[in-house]
Amino acid sequence: NAGVTQTPKFRVLKTGQSMTLLCAQDMNHEYMYWYRQDPGMGLRLIHYSVGEGTTAKGEVPDGYNVSRLKKQNFLLGLESAAPSQTSVYFCASTQRGTQETQYFGPGTRLLVL
Amino acid sequence: AQKITQTQPGMFVQEKEAVTLDCTYDTSDPSYGLFWYKQPSSGEMIFLIYQGSYDQQNATEGRYSLNFQKARKSANLVISASQLGDSAMYFCAMREALAGANNLFFGTGTRLTVIP
Repeated sequence: NAGVTQTPKFRVLKTGQSMTLLCAQDMNHEYMYWYRQDPGMGLRLIHYSVGEGTTAKGEVPDGYNVSRLKKQNFLLGLESAAPSQTSVYFCASTQRGTQETQYFGPGTRLLVL
Repeated sequence: AQKITQTQPGMFVQEKEAVTLDCTYDTSDPSYGLFWYKQPSSGEMIFLIYQGSYDQQNATEGRYSLNFQKARKSANLVISASQLGDSAMYFCAMREALAGANNLFFGTGTRLTVIP
């Protein structure tokens, strides 16, 4: 049982390049999330999904797209990376149910030059 | 307005002493949940404790307890008998039932340093 895994762990991009971050969970969770964490700030929600084939915008969605084609996977895409997207990205998942905690992946450190 | 406020950027505590990390929240939703997470220097987010808005008693998990004062909208984390391994960032977070999808709003965190 690996929990929540993220690929890659670290990436350097040049401005304008694109990339996809992969999140996978093996806990059969319904809900999945993408957050970003910047220095001096807490985690901010980018996008989330309440089930396979559904996605919704969070607090800071601009510049990102997501897809949830399979229940266990949640992809975060950057179509044209900008230096402002330099951050640490966390994926999380949880079961349906208001008392359920979110389980986090180890994070992906992204540097955009 | 900030949904979660953590006013202590950094805290120091002597090993084996207790420490309280402050968290205040703002919501008009009568049904909500409060969470505390620990983030060590390795970067992962570790769930510590949960308190529901309708829970009558303060939550406890081992050395962690949550001092829930509903009228004051505060949910302070108390760590008893601090250990060196408790040195980390601590985040308070809130989930509102009306927001749906169990979305969490995080505070900016408190960095706790345990002194030997």
